[in-house]
Amino acid sequence: GENVEQHPSTLSVQEGDSAVIKCTYSDSASNYFPWYKQELGKRPQLIIDIRSNVGEKKDQRIAVTLNKTAKHFSLHITETQPEDSAVYFCAASNTDDKIIFGKGTRLHILP
Amino acid sequence: GAGVSQSPSNKVTEKGKDVELRCDPISGHTALYWYRQSLGQGLEFLIYFQGNSAPDKSGLPSDRFSAERTGGSVSTLTIQRTQQEDSAVYLCASSFGTGSSYEQYFGPGTRLTVT
Repeated sequence: GENVEQHPSTLSVQEGDSAVIKCTYSDSASNYFPWYKQELGKRPQLIIDIRSNVGEKKDQRIAVTLNKTAKHFSLHITETQPEDSAVYFCAASNTDDKIIFGKGTRLHILP
Repeated sequence: GAGVSQSPSNKVTEKGKDVELRCDPISGHTALYWYRQSLGQGLEFLIYFQGNSAPDKSGLPSDRFSAERTGGSVSTLTIQRTQQEDSAVYLCASSFGTGSSYEQYFGPGTRLTVT
């Protein structure tokens, strides 16, 4: 089955700097890669996703990149703001199977 | 529209007791997932229902854990003979379909404390 590794487990960046979170997956059949954000005490929510037919997707300050050959994908947050502080989860799935989540990255934005 | 709801929001139980946690998914969503999240930890997959197919129970940590989904809608997660290590937040999520392309909508969770 699919296995998703995520790192780092904790990341601290100065406000205004960029943050990068990286994930690898094991199942070459995986074709959908969402990212979820969980603020303290709240439920996880989808922030961006990418499918296997594209290599990069952007939404304002957030971008995701996918390298299918290497089986890794990354989340990039630019111009970080205090409200970006949260736990971020990557995930991978294929059409016929359940989504598998990484263990999460706790992002701290330092003032 | 209404999102995913879970009840109770908090449950405190004594070690050895059975508990039932309920999840009401978004109407029309065919896929339903249960996850466990211990303090500061990730999303541990427990069980997955998709339509009328047999559920994927591969994440259940022991035979004390079971789940049902009646009529393709409401789901109940049952933990028998609870242990202190069962203390966690139990999250339910539903989606319109399986795997690719479908966003998971999470409920607010049930915080279970076993004393």
